[in-house]
Amino acid sequence: EIVMTQSPATLSVSPGERATLSCRASQSVSSNLAWYQQKPGQAPRLLIYGASTRATGIPARFSGSGSGTEFTLTISSLQSEDFAVYYCQQYNNWWTFGQGTKVEIK
Amino acid sequence: EVQLVESGGGLVQPGRSLRLSCTASGFTFGDYAMSWVRQAPGKGLEWVGFIRSKAYGGTTEYAASVKGRFTISRDDSKSIAYLQMNSLKTEDTAVYYCTRLLSIAVAGYWGQGTLVTVSS
Repeated sequence: EIVMTQSPATLSVSPGERATLSCRASQSVSSNLAWYQQKPGQAPRLLIYGASTRATGIPARFSGSGSGTEFTLTISSLQSEDFAVYYCQQYNNWWTFGQGTKVEIK
Repeated sequence: EVQLVESGGGLVQPGRSLRLSCTASGFTFGDYAMSWVRQAPGKGLEWVGFIRSKAYGGTTEYAASVKGRFTISRDDSKSIAYLQMNSLKTEDTAVYYCTRLLSIAVAGYWGQGTLVTVSS
């Protein structure tokens, strides 16, 4: 099983600032990496797939990068609605999710 | 608009069975693979399994934690995906989400989830 490790567990950011979230795979997943956002009491929402392709309707302030084992999700200027938990997921070999990064208001 | 509605959750004793349903609308159900993902209370996301479309054989894959106990099936005529859960354990307690895959193997659409509580 491919293990996905996200860091940090919690990220405290002020509105308008940049947030950078990391995800590491235990072995190469090529570019088969997705990011999801989950708000309290809601289902997750797909943000990014193919490591860097934004899903339909996702604002341009969300961007993804990386390949192989190291990936990054960047939110260029945090809006109030962006405070949530973010999960990375590999789909190179079935599916596994990271444990999540909570982005909270500083 | 794509909609996925899960049903069938509830309280069940350890060792018993439960079947969840996912009723889909807003797209041609038979053209897409479907997946189930669960989330234990206060925890992260865990893939349960998925079922391919009939065009790809309608075959299934499962996470090791549920293989042999859970079965995913589909009824394309009714636009429903099922998750049959047998020999339930307390650690199966979670919100179960139904998802529709995109043309690539990511969960592009999610239902609102249904809570399954396994407890005596």
